[in-house]
Order: sequence, then C-alpha cells, then structure tokens
Amino acid sequence: QVQLQESGPGLVKPSETLSLTCVVSSGSIRTNNWWSWVRQSPGKGLEWLGEIYPHGSVNYNPSLESRLTMSVDTSKKQISLYLTSVTDADTAVYYCARGKTVSPNAFDSWGQGTMVTVSS
Amino acid sequence: DIQMTQSPSALSVSVGDTVTITCQASQDSKNYVNWYQQKPGKAPKLLIYDASSLETGVPSRFSGSGSGTQFTFIISGLQPEDLATYFCQQTNDLPITFGQGTRLDFK
Repeated sequence: QVQLQESGPGLVKPSETLSLTCVVSSGSIRTNNWWSWVRQSPGKGLEWLGEIYPHGSVNYNPSLESRLTMSVDTSKKQISLYLTSVTDADTAVYYCARGKTVSPNAFDSWGQGTMVTVSS
Repeated sequence: DIQMTQSPSALSVSVGDTVTITCQASQDSKNYVNWYQQKPGKAPKLLIYDASSLETGVPSRFSGSGSGTQFTFIISGLQPEDLATYFCQQTNDLPITFGQGTRLDFK
C-alpha cells in the first residue's frame, strides 16, 4: 500500500510563495497513476488544485492556474506544489493524493494533510 | 465547471438505519462519480468509484448508483463507525469538483 506524506511551512505571509512537498513511500511513483493536490478549507470544502503524471503531463484548476506550479522528482519519489501570491483565502489543509490506475481521478491513497495558514 | 449539488447537508441517524445521499451534477458526468468518507482530522477515504464500483476492502453495506446527472450513495445498516462526512466527486471533466458534503450525526 503506497503511503504519502506532505510537508510544508505551516505559516506563510501574504503575497509570498507557498511550497509543499509530498513524498511517496512504500510504493513507486513511476507508475501509471496521476498524482493530485487537493485542499480543504471550512469556507470552500474540498477543492482540487491540479494533477501531474510522472512522465510529464500536468493539469491545473483554471481558478489557480496563473499562480500554481506542480513538479515531480522521480529519483526522490517526491511531488511538489508551488503557489504564488498567497492570500488568506489559501489557508487550508493541503493533501496529496494518488489516482487509481483504472479510474485516474478516483483518489485511493491520500497523505495525512498539512495545514497551511496565510497570515502576517 | 461541473457543479455537484449534494443533499442533504446533514442527517441525524441511528445504528441500523439505511442512509441515502444524493448528488446532482450540473452537466452529464457519465458514470465518473466517486464517493468518499471523511472523519474529523483525517483525509478522505475512497469508498465507491465510477458510480457503483466498491473500492477494495470497503464493506458491502456501502453502495452507489446513477449515471448522467443523478447519483445516489447508500449505507445499508449504519454502523457506529460510519459516523462521518461523505462527499461525492465528479471526474468526467476538469476541473475535478466535489459536493459540499453530508455530515452524519447520531440522533
């Protein structure tokens, strides 16, 4: 069973860039799976941010596309998220998740989530 | 974006109850709807994918049905450990979107 572990700064100042990483352990990242970031805040519920395929493809939520970058480092088994110009609306728990092979956007494995607060 | 309208938003239940949650998609989502369970402080857990397929290891009291714009999720014989919030998700079109959730509470 693959395990995912997110990590990040916890607190980010407004207008700065949020950087998060997700390490894939107990499993491979070089698989036919899409890897997504999802966030959850009390005001907006669950929000899909984007997805990346280890072989290079990426899709972003249009609502965030101008501020969002995702990347993958297969040698480190790590997926990264970068969100620029953050505001308090970006305060949320951020999860990374793996899509099933047979149903690419059904998320069968999730990290435990990392809380990010945007505040000066 | 495809909007997922989930109802009810909250439900008071008892052990043994049959619980029904619905999601209406704003556009045809074919059968690309999934259902998740989330307990406080935990990540969501996939229960049903592609509208009606039971995820490995999930008890058979959980089931799903539907296609197009109308989807239903049922818990047959609610157990105490089923108290949680449940979400639907459409994956037919990007961006992927979720329903607002249904919270189950004991009566």
